[in-house]
Amino acid sequence: GENVEQHPSTLSVQEGDSAVIKCTYSDSASNYFPWYKQELGKRPQLIIDIRSNVGEKKDQRIAVTLNKTAKHFSLHITETQPEDSAVYFCAASRVDTGRRALTFGSGTRLQVQP
Amino acid sequence: GAGVSQSPSNKVTEKGKDVELRCDPISGHTALYWYRQSLGQGLEFLIYFQGNSAPDKSGLPSDRFSAERTGGSVSTLTIQRTQQEDSAVYLCASSFDRVGANVLTFGAGSRLTVL
Repeated sequence: GENVEQHPSTLSVQEGDSAVIKCTYSDSASNYFPWYKQELGKRPQLIIDIRSNVGEKKDQRIAVTLNKTAKHFSLHITETQPEDSAVYFCAASRVDTGRRALTFGSGTRLQVQP
Repeated sequence: GAGVSQSPSNKVTEKGKDVELRCDPISGHTALYWYRQSLGQGLEFLIYFQGNSAPDKSGLPSDRFSAERTGGSVSTLTIQRTQQEDSAVYLCASSFDRVGANVLTFGAGSRLTVL
């Protein structure tokens, strides 16, 4: 089955700096890679996703890049703000045929220092 | 409903007792998932229901865990003879699970404490 590795486990940045979180996956058949944000005491929510037919996707201050050859993808947050502080999870799955259950990484706790 | 509803929100039980956790997905969502999140840890996949297909039970940690989804809607996760290591937040999620994307909407979770 799919295995997703995520690092770093914790990340502390100064407000205004950029943050990068990296994930690798094992199943070359995976073709859908979402990122979820979980604020303290709340449920995970999707913030951005990317499909395997594109290499990069941006949404305001966040972007995701995908390297299918190397089987890794990354989340980039620019101009970080205190409200970006949360745990971020990457995930991978297939969305065409076969098993579609998302396999999540272990999470990255991002702390943005004001 | 407007979102994914889970009950109970909190459950404290004694070791060896059975517990049932309920999930009411968003109306029309064909896929339903159960994940487990231990304190400060990641999201551990348990089971996945998709339409009328056989469920993917590959994440269930032992035969004490079972789940069913009745009428393609409400799901119940049952843990028999609970152990202290079962203490965690059990998250349910649902999605349309259409080809090309699979956006999960999570419930607020059921926090289980086994004494």
